[in-house]
Amino acid sequence: QKEVEQDPGPLSVPEGAIVSLNCTYSNSAFQYFMWYRQYSRKGPELLMYTYSSGNKEDGRFTAQVDKSSKYISLFIRDSQPSDSATYLCATDTGGFKTIFGAGTRLFVKA
Amino acid sequence: KAGVTQTPRYLIKTRGQQVTLSCSPISGHRSVSWYQQTPGQGLQFLFEYFSETQRNKGNFPGRFSGRQFSNSRSEMNVSTLELGDSALYLCASRQQRNTGELFFGEGSRLTVL
Repeated sequence: QKEVEQDPGPLSVPEGAIVSLNCTYSNSAFQYFMWYRQYSRKGPELLMYTYSSGNKEDGRFTAQVDKSSKYISLFIRDSQPSDSATYLCATDTGGFKTIFGAGTRLFVKA
Repeated sequence: KAGVTQTPRYLIKTRGQQVTLSCSPISGHRSVSWYQQTPGQGLQFLFEYFSETQRNKGNFPGRFSGRQFSNSRSEMNVSTLELGDSALYLCASRQQRNTGELFFGEGSRLTVL
């Protein structure tokens, strides 16, 4: 079993839709939870960074962590074609070794 | 401030050959991690270097190795290449080992024929 599971998609939505991306993880020692966005032919870049359970909002993006169910979510409101990318969830125990999910490919159609 | 620089960006090798990839981290960043990215497996952790020492290693065979120099630049080497080694190899740096954000380079895309 992988430490972080993520549906690779692809996920296709119309412009303006609310997008929900999800991951599950197995190690209860994980404390830091991240979402990275990767455009084609680029390296991943950090989108959201949260510690422990709860919600964090940044503009159109909301990251949610539920440690009791080991579930990580990213919501994108009012999705735009420029949001089309691969979204990777990631987690670690406090640095040292960050574990990534497989990534979900998102297409937002104009 | 310059980002993480990886060279070469693209390369083609044949089975049995070896390859060396280079990574220059962001100035002041002392931790360098390497990842392999493939469509089927996603991003898989290879190893992490800090202060010229390997601190963490993923589940890859011994054909995969690396090193870090005193200026924090890092190289990774893959010997006796196999077809399955075709992948995007990503280098990421961060200032210290226990800070969260990884800053990635654009990767080196290796094709093994």
